[in-house]
Amino acid sequence: KAGVTQTPRYLIKTRGQQVTLSCSPISGHRSVSWYQQTPGQGLQFLFEYFSETQRNKGNFPGRFSGRQFSNSRSEMNVSTLELGDSALYLCASSPKHGAYEQYFGPGTRLTVT
Amino acid sequence: GQQVMQIPQYQHVQEGEDFTTYCNSSTTLSNIQWYKQRPGGHPVFLIQLVKSGEVKKQKRLTFQFGEAKKNSSLHITATQTTDVGTYFCALPSGGSYIPTFGRGTSLIVHP
Repeated sequence: KAGVTQTPRYLIKTRGQQVTLSCSPISGHRSVSWYQQTPGQGLQFLFEYFSETQRNKGNFPGRFSGRQFSNSRSEMNVSTLELGDSALYLCASSPKHGAYEQYFGPGTRLTVT
Repeated sequence: GQQVMQIPQYQHVQEGEDFTTYCNSSTTLSNIQWYKQRPGGHPVFLIQLVKSGEVKKQKRLTFQFGEAKKNSSLHITATQTTDVGTYFCALPSGGSYIPTFGRGTSLIVHP
């Protein structure tokens, strides 16, 4: 089975812009979660989608949003980018909602200047 | 909220030496997972522990879940350069299954 794929892999944006990241889960996986990884804060949960519905949300501002499509692919959007949003954004899929094991994609490295 | 402490933060070893990382929780856990992230890579799921006192082995890796289900350890026997990376524990936060990740232990293996 192909693993989790994320596009783009690298992105440079300017403060105030918005960005959309894409994630395709492992075939058959219906749960998709997003994480932010930074040296300062470590790996932090953003939100989880299952069956096109957001099921859980981490402690991030409303500028961070996402959605999931009927084919389980997911997108994450960050509006009004701030310098502190520079991070590795990781998508992870799970076979089902409530499954503890996460299968991560390679991530999107976002740099905000 | 969920408190998770992972120690040590860094560990330098000579190739062939053993390595252990510990994960401690402030609350009793239903389960715990371990992940490995190579430099420049993404976290890779290693294992999940569920039962009190559980011990699982994967080749040179031994995972333990404490009797009180508040701590866990990952032990690597005779480290190799391929073991280099950061090892994270992840525990469900609160009443949900959403994982809280530890800060990780970075293993550096000197040949």
